[in-house]
Amino acid sequence: NAGVTQTPKFRILKIGQSMTLQCTQDMNHNYMYWYRQDPGMGLKLIYYSVGAGITDKGEVPNGYNVSRSTTEDFPLRLELAAPSQTSVYFCASSPEGGPTEAFFGQGTRLTVV
Amino acid sequence: TQLLEQSPQFLSIQEGENLTVYCNSSSVFSSLQWYRQEPGEGPVLLVTVVTGGEVKKLKRLTFQFGDARKDSSLHITAAQPGDTGLYLCAVSYSGAGSYQLTFGKGTKLSVIP
Repeated sequence: NAGVTQTPKFRILKIGQSMTLQCTQDMNHNYMYWYRQDPGMGLKLIYYSVGAGITDKGEVPNGYNVSRSTTEDFPLRLELAAPSQTSVYFCASSPEGGPTEAFFGQGTRLTVV
Repeated sequence: TQLLEQSPQFLSIQEGENLTVYCNSSSVFSSLQWYRQEPGEGPVLLVTVVTGGEVKKLKRLTFQFGDARKDSSLHITAAQPGDTGLYLCAVSYSGAGSYQLTFGKGTKLSVIP
C-alpha cells in the first residue's frame, strides 16, 4: 500500500510565487489534514477535511487554501509565498476523527527566499 | 485555549539507560496518542490511550495515562540507538473540534551507543 503520498519532497520558492502541494491517499479515509512543522514547534494544523467537498480551518490557515473534490486528494495551495511559510508540510489521513490513527506522508520541505 | 506541553524538550542518554518523557495538558482530553518521528519522515503512531489511569506496554515502552486525563508519560527501559527520534504526544478534546489532533512540541531523544 502506498498510504499517504506527498509531492514534491523539496521545493524552493521566491517571495510572491504560488504553488500547490499535492497529497493523495489510497486508504479510502474520510479525514485528511495538513500540518506544518517548524523547528522546535511541533505540528500545527493548517486545514482539515472530514470528507469530499468539506473543508475547515485549523490553527494557522492564513496564506493557505485547500480543496477536497475527491476522497483521495487534498491539495494545499500557497498564494503569494512569504518567508514565514518556510517549513516542513505534512499531509495526514485517518478513517475517522479523534483518537484514530493518523497516517502521515513523508513531508514536503518548502523554503521561501 | 488548550495548552499541551512536553518535557523535556531534549534528552541525550547512553544506550542501556532508562528514561521518562512527559506530556501535560491544561485541559482534560478525551484521548491521547504518542507518535515517534524519525528525521525526514512523518510521525508514526505508537499507542492510543483513552481511559484514565490506563497503562499500555509496547516491548520496552510503557505508556501511562493520568487518572485526571490531563497528563501522560512514556517510559523507555534499556534505551537503544534505534529509539532515537522525536516523540510527540497528540490529544483530542471533547466537544467542538473533537476530531482534531493537537500536537505537543515533542521530546527529541538521542540514544548514544
